[in-house]
Amino acid sequence: DAKTTQPPSMDCAEGRAANLPCNHSTISGNEYVYWYRQIHSQGPQYIIHGLKNNETNEMASLIITEDRKSSTLILPHATLRDTAVYYCIVRVATTGNQFYFGTGTSLTVIP
Amino acid sequence: GAGVSQSPSNKVTEKGKDVELRCDPISGHTALYWYRQSLGQGLEFLIYFQGNSAPDKSGLPSDRFSAERTGGSVSTLTIQRTQQEDSAVYLCASILVQDRPEAFFGQGTRLTVV
Repeated sequence: DAKTTQPPSMDCAEGRAANLPCNHSTISGNEYVYWYRQIHSQGPQYIIHGLKNNETNEMASLIITEDRKSSTLILPHATLRDTAVYYCIVRVATTGNQFYFGTGTSLTVIP
Repeated sequence: GAGVSQSPSNKVTEKGKDVELRCDPISGHTALYWYRQSLGQGLEFLIYFQGNSAPDKSGLPSDRFSAERTGGSVSTLTIQRTQQEDSAVYLCASILVQDRPEAFFGQGTRLTVV
């Protein structure tokens, strides 16, 4: 039901860009791509979302392929505090739709 | 309040007892979700409330689980006759669907059934 696939784990050196991939090959035309992260023992935190165009905010950038079947979350300068589980979710951005959280990618930022 | 508030933050209960978990969503948010997360696992959807519509209960694992949302605001998740497999972190999220579609999560209630 998660509709997305992500690698289970990744490492990234502190200060380098972290690029987290996500495949969503069955995405529908009205489904957005959302990214959340969950730092240990905390509730998930919204990062960014997009439909077709690439998006950037103060936390990250989201690159969506032209066919929308995959996307990449980019943390431009990873810090130790970015160590977390990152969830990629597809969802219609209207009422009545669940957020299906898969198992996510466990990102470890290495000093 | 500034965010989604859940209480209690921790709850230890004996097997067979009933428990109530509370969620205070962000004021004005129309939709509210309950999830649970077992140790080392992803989030499992439980139930969803949207305005005055009938809740989506499709994720509730058994009839021991129920939830209410009174006055379109505070929600209570009730687990009757708790079992050890109910031990998990129960997370609540609220969303302002008309404006910003991202969900805001509380810090969760850690339930331990002994």
